[in-house]
This record gives sequence, structure tokens and C-alpha cells, in this order.
Amino acid sequence: DQQVKQNSPSLSVQEGRISILNCDYTNSMFDYFLWYKKYPAEGPTFLISISSIKDKNEDGRFTVFLNKSAKHLSLHIVPSQPGDSAVYFCAAKGVAAGGTSYGKLTFGQGTILTVHP
Amino acid sequence: DGGITQSPKYLFRKEGQNVTLSCEQNLNHDAMYWYRQDPGQGLRLIYYSQIVNDFQKGDIAEGYSVSREKKESFPLTVTSAQKNPTAFYLCASTGYNEQFFGPGTRLTVL
Repeated sequence: DQQVKQNSPSLSVQEGRISILNCDYTNSMFDYFLWYKKYPAEGPTFLISISSIKDKNEDGRFTVFLNKSAKHLSLHIVPSQPGDSAVYFCAAKGVAAGGTSYGKLTFGQGTILTVHP
Repeated sequence: DGGITQSPKYLFRKEGQNVTLSCEQNLNHDAMYWYRQDPGQGLRLIYYSQIVNDFQKGDIAEGYSVSREKKESFPLTVTSAQKNPTAFYLCASTGYNEQFFGPGTRLTVL
């Protein structure tokens, strides 16, 4: 049961253009969402997050949008740079049915972003 | 520097052997986690610990064991009962919302 889904395995974008990475979730108990960036053979690094009480959070070139009614979030990178090429994971946190889940994250499968010079 | 360390970076083991992966953090975080990453499958939770001397199974705990005797340390043992142990293993800790990850250990079973 995949509660967090990233339906696009890969995305290719030209340098300077916008990258939009999408993520869908099914569990309405999720109340906090995060995006991580991962290079091969390294641990993921935290990028940006958003609480369910907001619909937008911005940090420099990165903006995350949350549409609770659609259970959908997206990460916008503007402008995209070659150094942004990596795997991007979305993750969600919340109280799971039947118990607490302090700090426990549920991850999507990841999207490989390639930014061409 | 505060952070999470995992050792070794690369690990090889023969089939049928147990192996222990190290994870240490100096972030003073209570909660720690172990994930494995396989191609195209994202990160799957193996075990997690919210406090010293306590831990819970994650989604794929079979064939693995952990201990949490100290706040700073959360070692993972991959036992011979794990059918497909070759993977990239990631340790993480969390203070509140964000999880911080170690650099990972690549385990290869020969």
C-alpha cells in the first residue's frame, strides 16, 4: 500500500527553466510534508517542508505547494541549475491509524531530475 | 561538527553471515531510524527507535535486528535470515519534524 506516490520516475529540464516535481498521498492523517534531495551513494539532504496548515512555502529557488483537497504537493525549482540534478524524494509525516508515529516518515519512490546545460 | 556517521561506507559479506552496520549521531536526537534503498523503490523503513532501550519494527523488519543501548548509537544487524540483503542502508535521526541522514552503507552479499 503506497501511501506516498511519485508517479514520474524521471524528469528532464533545460538549465534556467522551471522544474516541477509532483507527489500524491492517500493518507489524510499526514500533516507535514518534506522534500529531500539525494545524490548517488550519499544520504538524502533536507530541502524544504510544509505544514498542512499552509498551502505554500518558499526558500530561495525552491517552492513547495500543497493542495490538501487533492492530496497533492509539488516542488518547483526556478531557475533550474545543472547542480540540481539528483533524485528527489517527497515524504510525509503524521499520526498513523492505530498509533503514534512521532518523527516517522513515509517516502515516495523518488524522481530523477536531470538538468541539461 | 554535529551529524550522523555510518560505517563502513562499503561492506561485503558472504552469504549466510551476519553483519552489523554502525550508526552514530551527536545531534542529541531521541529518535533514530534505519532505511534501505533499492533501485526504484524509494526508502523503506526497517526499524526505528524513539528513545533509548526501546525500538519498533518498521515496514520490512524481517531478517534484521537492532539495539539502542545509548542515545547516540543505533546499530543494525543484517542476519542470514534476510533474503535479499544487498542494498544501500541509511540511518537517520530526528529532532522534531525533519529527519537528518547519514552518508549510508552499501552492503553487497557475495
